[in-house]
Amino acid sequence: DTEVTQTPKHLVMGMTNKKSLKCEQHMGHRAMYWYKQKAKKPPELMFVYSYEKLSINESVPSRFSPECPNSSLLNLHLHALQPEDSALYLCASSSEGLTDGYTFGSGTRLTVV
Amino acid sequence: QKEVEQNSGPLSVPEGAIASLNCTYSDRGSQSFFWYRQYSGKSPELIMFIYSNGDKEDGRFTAQLNKASQYVSLLIRDSQPSDSATYLCAALGDTGRRALTFGSGTRLQVQP
Repeated sequence: DTEVTQTPKHLVMGMTNKKSLKCEQHMGHRAMYWYKQKAKKPPELMFVYSYEKLSINESVPSRFSPECPNSSLLNLHLHALQPEDSALYLCASSSEGLTDGYTFGSGTRLTVV
Repeated sequence: QKEVEQNSGPLSVPEGAIASLNCTYSDRGSQSFFWYRQYSGKSPELIMFIYSNGDKEDGRFTAQLNKASQYVSLLIRDSQPSDSATYLCAALGDTGRRALTFGSGTRLQVQP
């Protein structure tokens, strides 16, 4: 299995809603990542988990809450988002080696109304 | 701020020509570099990586790295219309921050 699976593919939520994005990989990768990508912009790093521990938080607002239940799963819990948080949310995984690129999931297109 | 810079394009080349995409980076601690292709509305797809000075070839793609000049490039030979996409250059930080930082991407258009 060489895929990273993200669900849902599309999500529309109100500013008072609570929702979660899910990501799963079965490649044995030890690191998992959340990136946010706005239209015509590059992916921006949000969080990094290494060996199920949060190793990087790029000063992301607390309305985004990551969780890594085990080495194959990564969640992003969303609460009280703003319309400007609408974006493509990408999950990725890697073996963390110098020559190991990230494998990205297909992303969740999030719209906050 | 550790940055990766790319010309946004669009870079337009005729079918069959060589497309040359360039990237510079500011962090001398960056260890390796990756080129991703991203079609509109899709997620990035890894094309190739390079971590040693010089050239690395993979099929129609050649990556070039010059650490002294902090410069990375990607050459696409025999460009096809299906190569039309945004190409993202990414740098992998040092052990203190082992994560990919992406450039803003160069949009390539291959004209049939």
